[in-house]
Amino acid sequence: ETGVTQSPTHLIKTRGQQVTLRCSSQSGHNTVSWYQQALGQGPQFIFQYYREEENGRGNFPPRFSGLQFPNYSSELNVNALELDDSALYLCASSTNSGRGTEAFFGQGTRLTVV
Amino acid sequence: KQEVTQIPAALSVPEGENLVLNCSFTDSAIYNLQWFRQDPGKGLTSLLLIQSSQREQTSGRLNASLDKSSGRSTLYIAASQPGDSATYLCAVRLGGAGGTSYGKLTFGQGTILTVHP
Repeated sequence: ETGVTQSPTHLIKTRGQQVTLRCSSQSGHNTVSWYQQALGQGPQFIFQYYREEENGRGNFPPRFSGLQFPNYSSELNVNALELDDSALYLCASSTNSGRGTEAFFGQGTRLTVV
Repeated sequence: KQEVTQIPAALSVPEGENLVLNCSFTDSAIYNLQWFRQDPGKGLTSLLLIQSSQREQTSGRLNASLDKSSGRSTLYIAASQPGDSATYLCAVRLGGAGGTSYGKLTFGQGTILTVHP
């Protein structure tokens, strides 16, 4: 059983640019969530995808968008990057099973906006 | 709005001590609660998952309890080791109808644990 994998691990972008982060969910998981973690803070929920549709969104502007593909992998896109977007971006996958929706996280993508 | 608070923010203990990390949440209508470990600059590793109907879960030297009515959870670590040094995060998932797989996790800010030899 493969775990959650994210790419790239590190990324440096210039303010105003666009970025795409990728996530492969754990085998058999149909739900993917994205979180933003600023330094010294707990992760903040961005949005969640279930069977290719967004079904929950946190307090993030529309320039944060996503996709989920038929194989349940996912992308997070951020347009018009701002300096405050610098953070660790975490992807989590889950499924409703006997373990009751346990979330498994990837290693994260460290985004630096300069 | 669900808010999660973790106390203490940081903890430094000598190796071998038993310790308790605290987590409190404001909305008791949770579906489950999950404890995670995070090493510096890394992702989150799931430690324990407690369903809303459960009172505690155990894994090795770790024991997590849940008192949903009072909005509290504790993570007990027995016989701490230097390798336990990390940030510990608790997160709650609000209830979903029929147990469907949705619902965001709301995290606390974490407890930074240092276990020194």
